[in-house]
Amino acid sequence: ETGVTQSPTHLIKTRGQQVTLRCSSQSGHNTVSWYQQALGQGPQFIFQYYREEENGRGNFPPRFSGLQFPNYSSELNVNALELDDSALYLCASSFTANTGELFFGEGSRLTVL
Amino acid sequence: AQSVTQPDIHITVSEGASLELRCNYSYGATPYLFWYVQSPGQGLQLLLKYFSGDTLVQGIKGFEAEFKRSQSSFNLRKPSVHWSDAAEYFCAVRSSNTGKLIFGQGTTLQVKP
Repeated sequence: ETGVTQSPTHLIKTRGQQVTLRCSSQSGHNTVSWYQQALGQGPQFIFQYYREEENGRGNFPPRFSGLQFPNYSSELNVNALELDDSALYLCASSFTANTGELFFGEGSRLTVL
Repeated sequence: AQSVTQPDIHITVSEGASLELRCNYSYGATPYLFWYVQSPGQGLQLLLKYFSGDTLVQGIKGFEAEFKRSQSSFNLRKPSVHWSDAAEYFCAVRSSNTGKLIFGQGTTLQVKP
């Protein structure tokens, strides 16, 4: 059974650029959530996708957007990058939309200069 | 609003000593509660969860947690800590509306030889 995989693991961008992060969910899972974890903080919920539809969103601006594909993999896109977007971005998949048992990937570390 | 507080930012214990990590939550109904562990450079791994029933729950790696409704607490315990337990520990509560997890700020555990 393949776990949650994320790519890239590390990347560096400059302010104003755009970034796309990718996530492959665990086999059999139809829900993907994205979290932002700033240094020294707990993860903060960005949004959740269930069967290709956004199914909940946290307190993040519209320049944070996402997609979920028919195979339940997902992308997180961030436009107009700001310095405060530097963080670890965690993807998690779950068997259903409302279960709290999330399985996390190892994250994508984004640095914005 | 739902929230999770982990009062201890950093804890140091000697190997073989007992451990208790504190977690307090704010939630209007019966909460779904979780403890996750994060090793450096890794994603989050679920240690244990409480949904209902027995208030003392057992998890992986010898951890347990006790749900105390009267104190709004869900403290994590381990009778004898191993050096490999050094990591960041996060308590989380599941939102009833969106299924998202709300995390505490985390507690860093250091284990002395």
